[in-house]
Amino acid sequence: EPEVTQTPSHQVTQMGQEVILRCVPISNHLYFYWYRQILGQKVEFLVSFYNNEISEKSEIFDDQFSVERPDGSNFTLKIRSTKLEDSAMYFCASRRGGVAFGSGTQLSVL
Amino acid sequence: KNEVEQSPQNLTAQEGEFITINCSYSVGISALHWLQQHPGGGIVSLFMLSSGKKKHGRLIATINIQEKHSSLHITASHPRDSAVYICAVRSYTDKLIFGTGTRLQVFP
Repeated sequence: EPEVTQTPSHQVTQMGQEVILRCVPISNHLYFYWYRQILGQKVEFLVSFYNNEISEKSEIFDDQFSVERPDGSNFTLKIRSTKLEDSAMYFCASRRGGVAFGSGTQLSVL
Repeated sequence: KNEVEQSPQNLTAQEGEFITINCSYSVGISALHWLQQHPGGGIVSLFMLSSGKKKHGRLIATINIQEKHSSLHITASHPRDSAVYICAVRSYTDKLIFGTGTRLQVFP
């Protein structure tokens, strides 16, 4: 069964460094999303992406964040200058009808 | 106030029991999802509902659009059902708004 693939599964970085989280959505899906979950909290929406542009972004998704779909298969989330409070599990999701989630990237900012 | 409220927050059951998890929401939605999250963190979609009722194996999900309420039922619960069950609504702008989840533990 097709699945959403995320890499890496874990990422440790120093505060102020740039990180890129990668996702390969299901190939015939049209809508793409990033969500995050801080430990012990509920999942929060970051950004949605359709037709090669951002459809909606949350207040969390400030100028430090960006998304790209560089080659028609990958979907990336970049955090330019990480902060301690960016530590979270980041989930990529895609959908055509129903939604499918990747297994997440655990980001730890030290 | 949370836009999506779930109850209970925690639920303990004996194997074989019938389980109900409730979800209420306060925003307009195009669909409602029930999701399962295991300790490793991965999220699996169980149901997507826009009306009525759906059944998959021992799981049943219902939604009442007028009352803005949905329920997830598990019949004949089993220890492998132990997980966090999350209600998430899809807004008219397409983003998912998540509830805080219900932690279910089923003991043999």
